[in-house]
Formats: sequence, C-alpha cells, structure tokens
Amino acid sequence: AQSVTQPDIHITVSEGASLELRCNYSYGATPYLFWYVQSPGQGLQLLLKYFSGDTLVQGIKGFEAEFKRSQSSFNLRKPSVHWSDAAEYFCAVGLSGGSYIPTFGRGTSLIVHP
Amino acid sequence: DAGVIQSPRHEVTEMGQEVTLRCKPISGHDYLFWYRQTMMRGLELLIYFNNNVPIDDSGMPEDRFSAKMPNASFSTLKIQPSEPRDSAVYFCASSRGTSGETQYFGPGTRLLVL
Repeated sequence: AQSVTQPDIHITVSEGASLELRCNYSYGATPYLFWYVQSPGQGLQLLLKYFSGDTLVQGIKGFEAEFKRSQSSFNLRKPSVHWSDAAEYFCAVGLSGGSYIPTFGRGTSLIVHP
Repeated sequence: DAGVIQSPRHEVTEMGQEVTLRCKPISGHDYLFWYRQTMMRGLELLIYFNNNVPIDDSGMPEDRFSAKMPNASFSTLKIQPSEPRDSAVYFCASSRGTSGETQYFGPGTRLLVL
C-alpha cells in the first residue's frame, strides 16, 4: 500500500521569507501526488497536483511543487510567504491504474510571523 | 457551484445521544467520502461510496458509526450512541473518480460530545 510522510509537524517562517514543505511517499511506480491546504475552520482545498510530464507543477496562490522520483519526494515551495498562508498543508498520494483512494499525510502546520 | 455542503457546522451533544451529520456532494460527482480529523490521529477516511453504494467502510471505528447514501445528492453519517472520544471534525468530500481525481471537501462539522 502507498504511504505518505510529512516529516515536519510545524513550520514557522517570517512573512516574506521562502517556504518549503516536505513530502515523501512510498510506492514503486509513479503515483498521483497532491497538495491540499486547510485554512482555519475550513475544509481542504486543492493547491496543485502531479500526474506526469513536467516535474515542476504550478498551483494556486503562488505555490509550486517539484516531483523528484529519485528521492520519492514532492516538496511544496513558495518564494515569499504571506500572512494569509498560515494554514495546515496536506500532501496526498494516489495510485495509478485502478480505483485507489488517495492517502493523506498527517499535515504540516504553517505559522507565519509578521 | 455551491460546493460540498455539510450540516450542521457545529454540534454539541451529550454522551449517549444520537448524532446525525449530513452531506450534499457536488452534482455529477460519483464518489463521496467521509473523513474524521483529530489532533491525535490526523485525517482518517471512514467510508466512501461510489454511485451511492458503500465500497469500503473499513475505516469506520465501531458499530456505533453508520453511513448511508440514499441518493446521489445526500449522505448521512450517524453515531449512536455518541461518546466523548467521538469529538472531532467530520468532513465530507466528493470527486468524479478516485486515484487521480481532486477531492472537494465540505467545510466540516465540528462535533463535541460532552
């Protein structure tokens, strides 16, 4: 079965600083990869997803993520963080070739200091 | 599009009472998911439906939990009797498919069992 690991429970950055949230997955083939964001009191919203092709994926709100097969990683990045980016971020992995339900990581809580 | 609709948004009840959570998925989505989110366990998939049929309920914690989907536009998650450890945020999500499809989450129901 696929699994996904988000090694950082909390990340604190200053507003305007760059951000990288880590995500590692365990699966033999190329999976479907997702990043979702959960703002306080809200449901999860898709930021971006990767299926194939260009390994650098652009998403909403200025986020991007890069798929690195050799590292089994799909890290989320943003060059300059805004206070409104403070939220919980979830990485998810789905399997190709069948009806598989994506597995979500435990999430990383982003704290933004002014 | 109104998105996934959940009701109630907040529920406070006493131990032993029956609790019913409701969900209206996005029209045209064939899959519906119920998740539970807690600090201790993160986001857990409880059950999902395909075309109104329950496919996998292995995540349902106990027989006290039951879910139904009588038609394509309505689902319920029922807890009877409720216990304090059921306190959590319950999300409903829907999608057009599985592996590579985006899941659209509702705003959640925050349940507190006293």
